Amino acid sequence: AQTVTQSQPEMSVQEAETVTLSCTYDTSESDYYLFWYKQPPSRQMILVIRQEAYKQQNATENRFSVNFQKAAKSFSLKISDSQLGDAAMYFCAYRSVGSSNTGKLIFGQGTTLQVKP
Amino acid sequence: DSGVTQTPKHLITATGQRVTLRCSPRSGDLSVYWYQQSLDQGLQFLIQYYNGEERAKGNILERFSAQQFPDLHSELNLSSLELGDSALYFCASSLSGNSGNTIYFGEGSWLTVV
Repeated sequence: AQTVTQSQPEMSVQEAETVTLSCTYDTSESDYYLFWYKQPPSRQMILVIRQEAYKQQNATENRFSVNFQKAAKSFSLKISDSQLGDAAMYFCAYRSVGSSNTGKLIFGQGTTLQVKP
Repeated sequence: DSGVTQTPKHLITATGQRVTLRCSPRSGDLSVYWYQQSLDQGLQFLIQYYNGEERAKGNILERFSAQQFPDLHSELNLSSLELGDSALYFCASSLSGNSGNTIYFGEGSWLTVV
């Protein structure tokens, strides 16, 4: 079974600076998807970024980028130029692909990010 | 707005009672997922439906059941409620069940069991 681990329960960053959130996962599959979701105080789950395992290029979405290390099974999220609105809990998630899989998301425990003005 | 609609947003009920949570997926999405988020267990996958058929079961208790109707909306039924069932219940949807389609989440239904 696949597992996702976020070893940093809490992180803090100064506004306008850069922060990196860590995520590791365990799988025997060669093809899969990885995601970062953001959960602000409103509790809504918002997709931040996704990465296909077959792609070597790291995904980027504006100020958000990932460092995907497939061999190390590591998938970190970098937030540049942090803004107050980035304060939230961030979840790393794994999704299998293929007709034999259900496509459900497996989540890590989450990292609470505090942004200091 | 993700396009996934959940009702009710908040619900307070007593132990032993039964409640139904409702979910309307995004237009065109065939797959619906239910997740439970609690303080002690994090985000747990409960069950998935695809085009009316159960596709996968996760950590769903026998006291809980779900279904997806022909119009693709889904309901999660929670019975014989216990204090520990208090949680945020998310519904999510995607176009299909096993591809790279993005899974979109609703705003959740807060259930408090007293």
